[in-house]
Amino acid sequence: DGGITQSPKYLFRKEGQNVTLSCEQNLNHDAMYWYRQDPGQGLRLIYYSQIVNDFQKGDIAEGYSVSREKKESFPLTVTSAQKNPTAFYLCASSHDRGGTDTQYFGPGTRLTVL
Amino acid sequence: AQKITQTQPGMFVQEKEAVTLDCTYDTSDPSYGLFWYKQPSSGEMIFLIYQGSYDQQNATEGRYSLNFQKARKSANLVISASQLGDSAMYFCAMREISILSGSARQLTFGSGTQLTVLP
Repeated sequence: DGGITQSPKYLFRKEGQNVTLSCEQNLNHDAMYWYRQDPGQGLRLIYYSQIVNDFQKGDIAEGYSVSREKKESFPLTVTSAQKNPTAFYLCASSHDRGGTDTQYFGPGTRLTVL
Repeated sequence: AQKITQTQPGMFVQEKEAVTLDCTYDTSDPSYGLFWYKQPSSGEMIFLIYQGSYDQQNATEGRYSLNFQKARKSANLVISASQLGDSAMYFCAMREISILSGSARQLTFGSGTQLTVLP
């Protein structure tokens, strides 16, 4: 089955620790994205990548880092510099061919900082 | 300034009736796309429907249709024959496509509307 997987589903972290969220897709999509969602709000873009070994900051990149070593994978690291990391994190991918270019989402990871 | 505005935090509809979820947007880009997503309580974002700024006809996808009024900058989602499974959060999003827009592939989301379908 083609799709986007994220792991883990739930993640707990102590303050001061870095943590990495996994995102994998087998849709052969070129572009991948990371969004953050806070309760009662819409999604905000953290980082996106249009091609392997290249990525750009979104609106709220501070305290986060990413890598794109493989087309299928786009892991997100939440660093200790992120002041309020408790949130729901969603990964998405798209063909990135302009026009309609619909983004499809994974099931999300809920991060809680203790 | 907010680019996507959803003014209805919550909506109720009786099963089998139609419901309209409002969305207005703000852009100076002549080329853009409008999307609607559904987010059930599980959290996953499910793509529903797309409307391009140059599309002559309103988009339809099964029970979903988009009432696109370009001059008013509105892109309301209409769900016909509501079902209990339609209860979810619904998000309107926009993507500005022009090269001049900078981060041309970024989706901007509204704050969402929580729809509850009553039996």
